[in-house]
Amino acid sequence: GDSVTQMEGPVTLSEEAFLTINCTYTATGYPSLFWYVQYPGEGLQLLLKATKADDKGSNKGFEATYRKETTSFHLEKGSVQVSDSAVYFCALTLGTSYGKLTFGQGTILTVHP
Amino acid sequence: DAGVTQSPTHLIKTRGQQVTLRCSPKSGHDTVSWYQQALGQGPQFIFQYYEEEERQRGNFPDRFSGHQFPNYSSELNVNALLLGDSALYLCASSQGRASGQETQYFGPGTRLLVL
Repeated sequence: GDSVTQMEGPVTLSEEAFLTINCTYTATGYPSLFWYVQYPGEGLQLLLKATKADDKGSNKGFEATYRKETTSFHLEKGSVQVSDSAVYFCALTLGTSYGKLTFGQGTILTVHP
Repeated sequence: DAGVTQSPTHLIKTRGQQVTLRCSPKSGHDTVSWYQQALGQGPQFIFQYYEEEERQRGNFPDRFSGHQFPNYSSELNVNALLLGDSALYLCASSQGRASGQETQYFGPGTRLLVL
């Protein structure tokens, strides 16, 4: 079945460090890919998305490129802030699945001043 | 523009009881999906409602049921609660016939604790 695998966490960084969170997927078709963020005590917020191969999603300094050849959608940010501390979820959906999202297990990011 | 709202925010039940959770979608959205997020895990898809019908269902037992009303709001019902049903229940809404590319907007969730 369809699945999403995220890098083992948690991730702890100092402010202004470079961030990479790895995400790979397995899908029977051509998925759309998403990164969602969950701040403490809150629901999920869409961070960015990409709907076809080689698309780059970007928002708030975060970027991710849809790599079909490596079935990956790694999240990157050049300089993290304390306010970026949250749980990050990679997810996919297929055109045949009516928008049903399949999520990875999440990666906890903690940024220290 | 109100986003997705859910009620209640927190709930405590005992094993064997029944619970009803409620969701109002974002304005202009007609599709509602429900997810269960266990502690430390990613959300798992329960089911989706569109035009008052269950359109798709995840791997959850029949104890989990739902409903969508003409105003597109939705309820999630869980019968015969088990300790393992303790989780954050998230509602997400989207617009129109699902192509797989539309964005789903999530509510803040209802945290259910089963004792």
